Amino acid sequence: NAGVTQTPKFRILKIGQSMTLQCTQDMNHNYMYWYRQDPGMGLKLIYYSVGAGITDKGEVPNGYNVSRSTTEDFPLRLELAAPSQTSVYFCASSLTGASGELFFGEGSRLTVL
Amino acid sequence: RKEVEQDPGPFNVPEGATVAFNCTYSNSASQSFFWYRQDCRKEPKLLMSVYSSGNEDGRFTAQLNRASQYISLLIRDSKLSDSATYLCVVIPYFGNEKLTFGTGTRLTIIP
Repeated sequence: NAGVTQTPKFRILKIGQSMTLQCTQDMNHNYMYWYRQDPGMGLKLIYYSVGAGITDKGEVPNGYNVSRSTTEDFPLRLELAAPSQTSVYFCASSLTGASGELFFGEGSRLTVL
Repeated sequence: RKEVEQDPGPFNVPEGATVAFNCTYSNSASQSFFWYRQDCRKEPKLLMSVYSSGNEDGRFTAQLNRASQYISLLIRDSKLSDSATYLCVVIPYFGNEKLTFGTGTRLTIIP
């Protein structure tokens, strides 16, 4: 049972570089989310999607972009990486938003130097 | 005021003791509430939902106080394996897909 798979698990970027965090789920969930978690802090919502072709901003979308061309995949793009984007990124999915049960990937630890 | 607030702790509790912590929320229209558990350097996982009438799951009891706008989690007979960060999660209103996470309460069970 793969669940939610994120890649890469670790990455170091230089300031100004760009990269894409990949997220795929095999549970046929409509809802997918990207969160970031800074040390000692809770999770902050970056972007979310309620289905293929539909995305919306969360609490901290600046500096990021997403797309949802299929139900399974929800990549997060970082353009012009900045030190403030150093964080752990979690992708999650759920069958319905209201269920409250999110299934998370193992996280991607990103450092921008 | 933050949408969801938790005492960050840490709570250091001896094994076998009972521990409880609260989470306050600012939006009185909030509909749904949950507790998640996050182990060190791991992803969060759903621990339990919080129902209006309160609910139990083994040693864990969750309660909702709408009048004072907080939810609580009580752990009885605590085990070493209960050491984790407990995150409070709120869905602001019915039909909203944006789950709001608290910053978490760190719990350490001491042998």
